[in-house]
Amino acid sequence: NAGVMQNPRHLVRRRGQEARLRCSPVKGHSHVYWYRQLPEEGLKFMVYLQKENIIDESGMPKERFSAEFPKEGPSILRIQQVVRGDSAAYFCASSPGSYGNTIYFGEGSWLTVV
Amino acid sequence: SQQGEEDPQALSIQEGENATMNCSYKTSINNLQWYRQNSGRGLVHLILIRSNEREKHSGRLRVTLDTSKKSSSLLITASRAADTASYFCATVPNSGGSNYKLTFGKGTLLTVNP
Repeated sequence: NAGVMQNPRHLVRRRGQEARLRCSPVKGHSHVYWYRQLPEEGLKFMVYLQKENIIDESGMPKERFSAEFPKEGPSILRIQQVVRGDSAAYFCASSPGSYGNTIYFGEGSWLTVV
Repeated sequence: SQQGEEDPQALSIQEGENATMNCSYKTSINNLQWYRQNSGRGLVHLILIRSNEREKHSGRLRVTLDTSKKSSSLLITASRAADTASYFCATVPNSGGSNYKLTFGKGTLLTVNP
C-alpha cells in the first residue's frame, strides 16, 4: 500500500547549489502537485502536473524553480542556485483525477540552505 | 484573513476531552478537506466533505460544513495523547479552472495532555 513517496526526506545545500526533489505518486495516480510549507505556516500551492504536462505553475517562483513529471519515472522539483529563503518543507501530493478527489500527500522533503 | 483559516491557533486539552477546531473560508467551494500533521512529518488526510454535505463521521472524528456561513468544524471525541498534532483545513474552489488547488490555513496546534 505505497502512498506518495518522496526523497530525499532531508537535504542540506549551500547557497548557490542545486536541490533536486523527487516524488513518486500513488500507483495509478497521474496528477501530481507540489506544495511548500514555510515554518509556522500552512502549505502553499506551487505547481500541478500531469504526465509530461505542466497544468498550472502559478504558485512557483518564476526564476530558479522548475518541475517536471516525465512519462517514465518520478516527478522532479528542481531549485537552482538555492538561497536561504528556499529553506522549507516541500510536499508532493497526488490524486487519481483533478476534480473533487481526495489529495494524498507524501512525507515531505525538508530543505535546509546553509 | 486567508481562505481556509483555522481557529483557535492552539488548543490544549486533557486526554479524554473533546477537541473542536473551526475553519472559515471566503469563496465558493467544491469540497473541504481536513488533514493532520505531526511535527516534522507529512500530512495525513482525515476527511473530505463536499459542498452538498452537512456532516461526516469517521471513527472519533466528526466534521460539519455550513456553506451559508462559509465555515467548517472538526470535532475529535475522547481525545488521546496520540492526537497531538497540527490540524489543517484546506478548500478546493468550485469555480474557474482551479478546482484542484488546495488552499490551506495556518492550522490549529492541538496538544492532548496525558
